[in-house]
Amino acid sequence: DAKTTQPNSMESNEEEPVHLPCNHSTISGTDYIHWYRQLPSQGPEYVIHGLTSNVNNRMASLAIAEDRKSSTLILHRATLRDAAVYYCILRDESTNFGNEKLTFGTGTRLTIIP
Amino acid sequence: AAGVIQSPRHLIKEKRETATLKCYPIPRHDTVYWYQQGPGQDPQFLISFYEKMQSDKGSIPDRFSAQQFSDYHSELNMSSLELGDSALYFCASSRTSGMYNEQFFGPGTRLTVL
Repeated sequence: DAKTTQPNSMESNEEEPVHLPCNHSTISGTDYIHWYRQLPSQGPEYVIHGLTSNVNNRMASLAIAEDRKSSTLILHRATLRDAAVYYCILRDESTNFGNEKLTFGTGTRLTIIP
Repeated sequence: AAGVIQSPRHLIKEKRETATLKCYPIPRHDTVYWYQQGPGQDPQFLISFYEKMQSDKGSIPDRFSAQQFSDYHSELNMSSLELGDSALYFCASSRTSGMYNEQFFGPGTRLTVL
């Protein structure tokens, strides 16, 4: 699986936007970019995913560079509940059913300052 | 909405004992994944099942085995437990609908080996 690189930690003030970067210079054409997060004492949860175009959902936005070698997860207005470890994961979507494991790297621990 | 159920939530065992962890996926989900998260570490993929057949295998010790039953629930069996097996074990389920297969994680089973 292609590797991703994220900062170990970031801090942001409450109610301000947060931009979480991810580098994936060895991404292949069939790799989708996925973001999951893990709140304290909980299992990971899906945030957003994309292939080439920028994506928006109720939780966040995903901005993908034109060359796809990097992406940024954007939380538009961080709340205390957004404090978590955020994982940027590449997954080859051309695999067979049931072979879609998530390979977690070292994510970014986001701290929200009240 | 129904979520992934894992039981037990906490389990304490002695070295060399056996343990069985259970996972009940979201209804109509056909794929189950098992992940292990050691203290201070990121989740690591162990094994997955699609339609009751093993579909992928990660760094799962030979002492561990798993299966998915006809009702789609899954069990992770761990024998000859070692201190290093102490970890959070997450089960995740997904539905292979041909579109994006988001994984939904359970709350985890915390296994402590003494």
